[in-house]
Amino acid sequence: EPEVTQTPSHQVTQMGQEVILRCVPISNHLYFYWYRQILGQKVEFLVSFYNNEISEKSEIFDDQFSVERPDGSNFTLKIRSTKLEDSAMYFCAGAYGGRLSETQYFGPGTRLLVL
Amino acid sequence: RKEVEQDPGPFNVPEGATVAFNCTYSNSASQSFFWYRQDCRKEPKLLMSVYSSGNEDGRFTAQLNRASQYISLLIRDSKLSDSATYLCVVTPGANNDMRFGAGTRLTVKP
Repeated sequence: EPEVTQTPSHQVTQMGQEVILRCVPISNHLYFYWYRQILGQKVEFLVSFYNNEISEKSEIFDDQFSVERPDGSNFTLKIRSTKLEDSAMYFCAGAYGGRLSETQYFGPGTRLLVL
Repeated sequence: RKEVEQDPGPFNVPEGATVAFNCTYSNSASQSFFWYRQDCRKEPKLLMSVYSSGNEDGRFTAQLNRASQYISLLIRDSKLSDSATYLCVVTPGANNDMRFGAGTRLTVKP
């Protein structure tokens, strides 16, 4: 069964550094999402992406964040200047369609630690 | 009021027990509803979608009450492998962006 993959599995960075989190969605997925989960807290929506543009973003997704799908396969989340409070698990998800009932398939996540 | 609210638990039950989880949501325009399961330090995985008519999948039954903005999950004959955190998930509007509750933790003991 195809799976969503994410790299790296863990990343440690210094405050103020840029990080890029990578996701390879299932090949025929068209809708892509990033979520984050701070340790001990709920999963939070960051951004959705379709047809090479952002379709929705939350208040968390400020100017420090960006997403792109540079080569038609990888889907990346960039944090330009990391803060301590960016430490979290970041999950990528994908779906075949954008209908409201469409199942989203999650990747295993990247655990980001900002020191 | 939180977008999606769940009793955090923990629920500690013996094998074979029946356990029920509840969830309320604040946005009456919410369109789709799900229960996800999350094991420790793992990604959320879809357990089941929730429909107004109620739906059942083996030992799991989900119910939706739109008027009360309330969702439930019933697990019958619980197994050790059911131990996990159960996440109530709602899509609040036109897009498929999901909003998660904080989760209810279940531990099934021998």
